[in-house]
Amino acid sequence: QQQVKQSPQSLIVQKGGISIINCAYENTAFDYFPWYQQFPGKGPALLIAIRPDVSEKKEGRFTISFNKSAKQFSLHIMDSQPGDSATYFCAASMGGTGGFKTIFGAGTRLFVKA
Amino acid sequence: DSGVTQTPKHLITATGQRVTLRCSPRSGDLSVYWYQQSLDQGLQFLIQYYNGEERAKGNILERFSAQQFPDLHSELNLSSLELGDSALYFCASSPSSGGGTGELFFGEGSRLTVL
Repeated sequence: QQQVKQSPQSLIVQKGGISIINCAYENTAFDYFPWYQQFPGKGPALLIAIRPDVSEKKEGRFTISFNKSAKQFSLHIMDSQPGDSATYFCAASMGGTGGFKTIFGAGTRLFVKA
Repeated sequence: DSGVTQTPKHLITATGQRVTLRCSPRSGDLSVYWYQQSLDQGLQFLIQYYNGEERAKGNILERFSAQQFPDLHSELNLSSLELGDSALYFCASSPSSGGGTGELFFGEGSRLTVL
């Protein structure tokens, strides 16, 4: 019930193409679904996040689509650029006493070819 | 810059040894989390502290321990090190859950190599 399943494991996209990464969760108590971006040698950093009361959130070239009934959400990167090459982690989180319980997906390595 | 500071950035040691990794959370954040990231692996949750108290435990080995001090910095102690403990260890911090978004702020990690 605590897993977050992420696919694909790796992704190669041409510059200007659309990158799509999918995630699925099990526990309906999660109420915050962030995506983190990690560059080599750096810590993960929040890219975009969504709450389950909306079905889509867009920030620039990055869009989260959320399907509450299917317990799935995805990250779409439009007009992918070489600078987007990084590892992307989806996560599911819920608040509790003294912090947040956050479960991460296994990560997707994205490579955008110039 | 996330505001989370981790030291050391790199550490090379031998099997059987003991090391301590240190984390200073963002100013005002009471919660500290430790994650392990092995080569080609995701982020494995180890342990969480809130204002000095342990709040949650993940896949943390018995050879590992952590604590959070009154000034809110945290230390992760790894003992009887094995080759398989070689990994990136990340610390993250967050405000308390009340009013927080759920965002975790990660440090840049401590890379541990066990030879």
